[in-house]
Amino acid sequence: EAGVAQSPRYKIIEKRQSVAFWCNPISGHATLYWYQQILGQGPKLLIQFQNNGVVDDSQLPKDRFSAERLKGVDSTLKIQPAKLEDSAVYLCASSLDYGSNKNIQYFGAGTRLSVL
Amino acid sequence: GQQVMQIPQYQHVQEGEDFTTYCNSSTTLSNIQWYKQRPGGHPVFLIQLVKSGEVKKQKRLTFQFGEAKKNSSLHITATQTTDVGTYFCAGGLTSNTGKLIFGQGTTLQVKP
Repeated sequence: EAGVAQSPRYKIIEKRQSVAFWCNPISGHATLYWYQQILGQGPKLLIQFQNNGVVDDSQLPKDRFSAERLKGVDSTLKIQPAKLEDSAVYLCASSLDYGSNKNIQYFGAGTRLSVL
Repeated sequence: GQQVMQIPQYQHVQEGEDFTTYCNSSTTLSNIQWYKQRPGGHPVFLIQLVKSGEVKKQKRLTFQFGEAKKNSSLHITATQTTDVGTYFCAGGLTSNTGKLIFGQGTTLQVKP
């Protein structure tokens, strides 16, 4: 079974530039999550989708971050414009569903973003 | 907001020694999950606990969920070098949206 695919693996940009990350979840997984993991910290949820609808985006900095999952499968996360403090690993995860016994999350390898 | 705290942040042990990490939530949880992240890797699911007072074992790893469903622990017996990594607890909220609040993790180093 294929895992969660993410690209690119690494990205270096200058502040105020734009960047986009792509995620393809495990086939059949209805719930998709984007996390930000700053070095030395646990993953912080940015946004959670159920199919193509947003379940939670309470911690997404909406002035600069946006995400979509138009057809309920692949998802993209965009940052525009990037700030220095956005340097982190962006992890995508998926789960079968979001009920408490179905939310075991499978993570992709992540995209390491460096903002200079 | 809801917080999940983990201690210790770092632990260095000699191979063969035991290791324990503790997780505490500011609110009652519906479930707790544990993940392991190897250096340079991504979090990998280990186990989920749902019931109050639940104890589960996986070989040398023992997981507990507190009676009040606000705390949890992971204990590794006789650590091995393959146990190296960061262990995260993640609390599931009672709102049942599937949202997990991750602790900051405990990084385990094992000296051979």
